[in-house]
Amino acid sequence: QKEVEQDPGPLSVPEGAIVSLNCTYSNSAFQYFMWYRQYSRKGPELLMYTYSSGNKEDGRFTAQVDKSSKYISLFIRDSQPSDSATYLCAMSAYSSASKIIFGSGTRLSIRP
Amino acid sequence: GAVVSQHPSRVICKSGTSVKIECRSLDFQATTMFWYRQFPKKSLMLMATSNEGSKATYEQGVEKDKFLINHASLTLSTLTVTSAHPEDSSFYICSGLEGQETQYFGPGTRLLVL
Repeated sequence: QKEVEQDPGPLSVPEGAIVSLNCTYSNSAFQYFMWYRQYSRKGPELLMYTYSSGNKEDGRFTAQVDKSSKYISLFIRDSQPSDSATYLCAMSAYSSASKIIFGSGTRLSIRP
Repeated sequence: GAVVSQHPSRVICKSGTSVKIECRSLDFQATTMFWYRQFPKKSLMLMATSNEGSKATYEQGVEKDKFLINHASLTLSTLTVTSAHPEDSSFYICSGLEGQETQYFGPGTRLLVL
């Protein structure tokens, strides 16, 4: 079993829709959760990070962590074509300074 | 956010040659830098962690004699793929750790070994 599971997609939604991206994990030692966006042939860009269970909002993005279920989500409101990218969940035991385990990424396409 | 650059962005080499990839933190000092490898449609896999002035720590299964890492300054780490073979073809990404909280990733280097 992989430590982090993420549906690879592709996921295609119309512009303006709410997007839900999810990951599950098996290692209860993970305490630090991140979401990265990666455009084709580029390096990952950090979108959000959180330590705790619950929700964290930043503009159109909301990160949700449920440690009891070992389940994390990223919601994108009012999706735009420029949001089309691969989204990687990632997690580590302490912080970004410790080893990060990445999900395989979900490829998202927003249709105009 | 902080900026990390990589050079070259793309390299094609013949089998058996060595290739050096540079990773630079442009506007911050990175005591720690990380090297990742990413296959098409796959996740990033950590290869090694390099700390300035000391030997890199390699992940299990990564050959340290094949992937030489040097972190000689707080803004520069290099990865040398020695005696490259076609199976080494991949997307190599580095990151620099700013403070203790955030890894900033470079744009990646695409290596193709013929």
